Amino acid sequence: NAGVTQTPKFQVLKTGQSMTLQCAQDMNHEYMSWYRQDPGMGLRLIHYSVGAGITDQGEVPNGYNVSRSTTEDFPLRLLSAAPSQTSVYFCASSYLRVNEQFFGPGTRLTVL
Amino acid sequence: ELKVEQNPLFLSMQEGKNYTIYCNYSTTSDRLYWYRQDPGKSLESLFVLLSNGAVKQEGRLMASLDTKARLSTLHITAAVHDLSATYFCAVDHGSSNTGKLIFGQGTTLQVKP
Repeated sequence: NAGVTQTPKFQVLKTGQSMTLQCAQDMNHEYMSWYRQDPGMGLRLIHYSVGAGITDQGEVPNGYNVSRSTTEDFPLRLLSAAPSQTSVYFCASSYLRVNEQFFGPGTRLTVL
Repeated sequence: ELKVEQNPLFLSMQEGKNYTIYCNYSTTSDRLYWYRQDPGKSLESLFVLLSNGAVKQEGRLMASLDTKARLSTLHITAAVHDLSATYFCAVDHGSSNTGKLIFGQGTTLQVKP
């Protein structure tokens, strides 16, 4: 199993550009989520999904969109990048009932 | 709104010493998780605590959960340098087990030889 994979590992954007962070898992997990990690603030939940076709907002959803058309994939789209979105983004997945989340390697995003 | 607070946020300790990290949360939950993060790396699951009174141990780390006090502890016994990392607790938000985890700020542990 590859576990949770994320691409790209690093990305630099200019303000106003859009892009999609990719996340995939091969463990047949129902639950997937996106977090951002900023210094001194722990991880904050952006969006999550409890299954294909079902998504919901987390703590900090503004400026981000998600969709879940398959169990395996959960892409995160930045609509119009802003410097405040400079962060490290982690995708995670779990079996819903136990909820021990497995994290991807992260994407380090810089918005200039 | 669920809030999760850890203390201390930074801990510098000598090898061989014992110490405890505390995780307090503000609303009812019976599911709590501990993760470890090494610098520049992703998060690794350490413990899953699913009921009041749950205790889990792995090597020099032991985690416990008191849902009535809304408190979890991560106890470090005879610390070694390899335990240097940032430790996060996370609490399942709400009773319906939606899978939403709210994380504490993290405790950075530095173990000196």
